[in-house]
Amino acid sequence: EIVLTQSPGTLSLSPGESATLSCRASQSVSNRYLAWYQQKPGLAPRLLIYGASNRATGIPDRFSGSGSGTDFTLTISSLEPEDFAVYYCQQYGSSFTFGPGTKVDIK
Amino acid sequence: EVQLVESGGGLVQPGGSLRLSCAASGFMFNTYELNWVRQAPGKGLEWVSYITTSDSTLSYADSVKGRFTISRDDAKNSLFLQMNSLRVEDTAVYYCARVRAYWHFAMDVWGQGTTVTVSS
Repeated sequence: EIVLTQSPGTLSLSPGESATLSCRASQSVSNRYLAWYQQKPGLAPRLLIYGASNRATGIPDRFSGSGSGTDFTLTISSLEPEDFAVYYCQQYGSSFTFGPGTKVDIK
Repeated sequence: EVQLVESGGGLVQPGGSLRLSCAASGFMFNTYELNWVRQAPGKGLEWVSYITTSDSTLSYADSVKGRFTISRDDAKNSLFLQMNSLRVEDTAVYYCARVRAYWHFAMDVWGQGTTVTVSS
């Protein structure tokens, strides 16, 4: 089973700043089967990025994903107030696994 | 509108059973794979179970294997999760999610979740 590690655990930033979130896999993620989700308290997760770098429908272009193999990054170019949330990466290999999440909170 | 709506959660004693349902609307249900994902209170997301179209593949997390059974009824646009031998650690919000195989197996539509509490 592929284990995903996310860093940092918490990122404290101000609106307008850029956020860089890391997701590392214990072994190579085949075919870039790596997605990113945003979750706000009390709500279901929302798909942001699929295939490591493709924005899902309706996702603003301030969200971007990159990476391959074992190292992946989610970048939020200029944080809006609504972007403060928890972000999870997820991979699909023989099964699905999620990372533990990165909380982006207001500094 | 594309929508998934879960139901069937509740309070159950350890060792008991529950059957969760997920009703789909707004899309061709029989052409999509589906997942159950859960989230324990204050914790992260945990994948639970996966079903392909035509039930050709079923898979489970090790934590639920042998206790939970996923199924679908394409005629009723519904997904199910039969949960037996429930444990305290199964307490969580359970989400159903649509899987986009052509989107690198990302989950693009989620229900609002149903809460399962296992406690004596």
